[in-house]
Amino acid sequence: EADIYQTPRYLVIGTGKKITLECSQTMGHDKMYWYQQDPGMELHLIHYSYGVNSTEKGDLSSESTVSRIRTEHFPLTLESARPSHTSQYLCASSQPGSSTTDTQYFGPGTRLTVL
Amino acid sequence: AQKITQTQPGMFVQEKEAVTLDCTYDTSDPSYGLFWYKQPSSGEMIFLIYQGSYDQQNATEGRYSLNFQKARKSANLVISASQLGDSAMYFCAMREFLMDSSYKLIFGSGTRLLVRP
Repeated sequence: EADIYQTPRYLVIGTGKKITLECSQTMGHDKMYWYQQDPGMELHLIHYSYGVNSTEKGDLSSESTVSRIRTEHFPLTLESARPSHTSQYLCASSQPGSSTTDTQYFGPGTRLTVL
Repeated sequence: AQKITQTQPGMFVQEKEAVTLDCTYDTSDPSYGLFWYKQPSSGEMIFLIYQGSYDQQNATEGRYSLNFQKARKSANLVISASQLGDSAMYFCAMREFLMDSSYKLIFGSGTRLLVRP
């Protein structure tokens, strides 16, 4: 299993603030992902990275941005938070060839509330 | 486009009994992978089991097994000997490849399982 960490676990913040959600993994996985999940709903991919200095947008339109300067670190930033950004954000990583299944392993998630 | 359908919004099961959670999928790709994840109320996604489209046998992992019926495009999760700790949301997902061996998971809407003592 991958060891993947997200901070903070919970964040309540006012409209207009800049926030960064942290995601780190210690397994050396090349591929990392950000999903967004509204309460009781399915997850949707918002960003992914297939290696250092590579980032791509996912299906779900998001005003957030990401960076991948180091293999182990994949932070997500919102320049100006709005109530519509209230959601859970889950980070995941995978590595082709690390197992027969090439499974995505998830972090514990960050629950963001924007007032 | 690939699609996952979970038709059971909620299920009850008595402790120590078995339960089946339904999942059907739609894809035109001959090669695909199916995953089941568990999401407790704490929010993390826990990988349970994987089935590849070319796997000859149904996947098993401890108390979890997958009833894979390729012709019917179904991949139902069977949990045997249910425990109170199995109460959670369960998601079926399919892999869709992106760039350079990265992939996204396409999720169903989930089934909330409640285990009764």
